[in-house]
Amino acid sequence: QSVLTQPPSASGTPGQRVTISCSGSSSNIGSNYGYWYQQVPGTAPKLLIYRNNERPSGVPDRFSGSKSGTSASLAISGLRSEDEADYYCAGWDDSLSGWVFGGGTKLTVL
Amino acid sequence: QLQLQESGPGLVKPSETLSLTCTVSGGSVSNTNYYWGWIRQPPGKGLEWIGSIYYNGNTYYNPSLKSRVTMSVDTSKNQFSLKLSSVTAADTAVYYCARHLGGIFSGPNYWGQGTLVTVSS
Repeated sequence: QSVLTQPPSASGTPGQRVTISCSGSSSNIGSNYGYWYQQVPGTAPKLLIYRNNERPSGVPDRFSGSKSGTSASLAISGLRSEDEADYYCAGWDDSLSGWVFGGGTKLTVL
Repeated sequence: QLQLQESGPGLVKPSETLSLTCTVSGGSVSNTNYYWGWIRQPPGKGLEWIGSIYYNGNTYYNPSLKSRVTMSVDTSKNQFSLKLSSVTAADTAVYYCARHLGGIFSGPNYWGQGTLVTVSS
């Protein structure tokens, strides 16, 4: 059971906009920044979004992040086949004094 | 360009200690701006943070693993290490080393390629 809750799966067609949610609590997302990682199977995770809505250099602006209360969201617009991957949210948890991850969302591009 | 490379045995016997090293190139573990961490991923499952260490040896560990985890840093070799004692099959996972964006409250951004460690007799 992950501390952060994500839907196990999401899907969309090319060009569509999809959103992935991440539900936390007051001790993690509610009081700290949300992060998002993309993981293509067999490879290491890649940082997509940091500090709720910042993109590292090289990440397309099709990817965007937001936070509201104790939840974070990742939006992908103009969906492409190469976006098919697993997506994880993460954040610092004050109660645990450690990093927590969501269980991951498998995105399928139909 | 910063690169991290995990190394260590790919097979560990139950009850023994798992030992991994992360070698950093293109950067320095002595850099006071960053924490360095370990994250693992059991086959077919999600990511689990194990712990993180600062250049001066300051550590944060996952409470669920704290009693079994020891991390250290060797600035002379530009490496940091993980030891996980009393392993069981549940510790079978791909182990990643990573560098945080900054301090402990910022997430990992640079990751190693990962190394699979299997716990089996």
